[in-house]
Amino acid sequence: EAGVAQSPRYKIIEKRQSVAFWCNPISGHATLYWYQQILGQGPKLLIQFQNNGVVDDSQLPKDRFSAERLKGVDSTLKIQPAKLEDSAVYLCASSAGGIQYFGAGTRLSVL
Amino acid sequence: QQQVKQSPQSLIVQKGGISIINCAYENTAFDYFPWYQQFPGKGPALLIAIRPDVSEKKEGRFTISFNKSAKQFSLHIMDSQPGDSATYFCAGIGGGGSNYKLTFGKGTLLTVNP
Repeated sequence: EAGVAQSPRYKIIEKRQSVAFWCNPISGHATLYWYQQILGQGPKLLIQFQNNGVVDDSQLPKDRFSAERLKGVDSTLKIQPAKLEDSAVYLCASSAGGIQYFGAGTRLSVL
Repeated sequence: QQQVKQSPQSLIVQKGGISIINCAYENTAFDYFPWYQQFPGKGPALLIAIRPDVSEKKEGRFTISFNKSAKQFSLHIMDSQPGDSATYFCAGIGGGGSNYKLTFGKGTLLTVNP
């Protein structure tokens, strides 16, 4: 069974630039999550999708972050404009209603 | 508000020793308590989990002890090996239904010396 795929693995941008991350969940998993993991901390949930609908985006900074899951499969997370404090690993996870399986993440450095 | 508090922040153990990581939670709505293991450059992976109606769960060298009245739980790694060196996160899950929201602790960096 293929795992959760994320790309790119690394991204370096300057502040005020925009960036997008892509996630392909495990086949058949209806629930998809985006987490932000700052160095030395546990992952923090940004947004949760159930199929292509948003279940929880209470911790998503909506003035600069956006996410979509068209057709209920792949998902993209965008940051525009980026700030220095957005430097982190962005993790995507998927589940079939229980255990969450995580991708390897995208490490973002904002200079 | 930190709903899951984890300690210690880092831990160094000799090969063959016992590693113990502790967590305390505040949210009584949590109904499932997983532990995740994360290696550098990888995403977290589920290691072992427990429900609050069970006091202990063991899988191989890994054991969770759960104290519902104290709202505390811990991970014990017996016969620790260098390959166990990783960051460990405790978490709580609550909400039920389709909203399996994970709340993580801050993590414990475990180093097992050979």
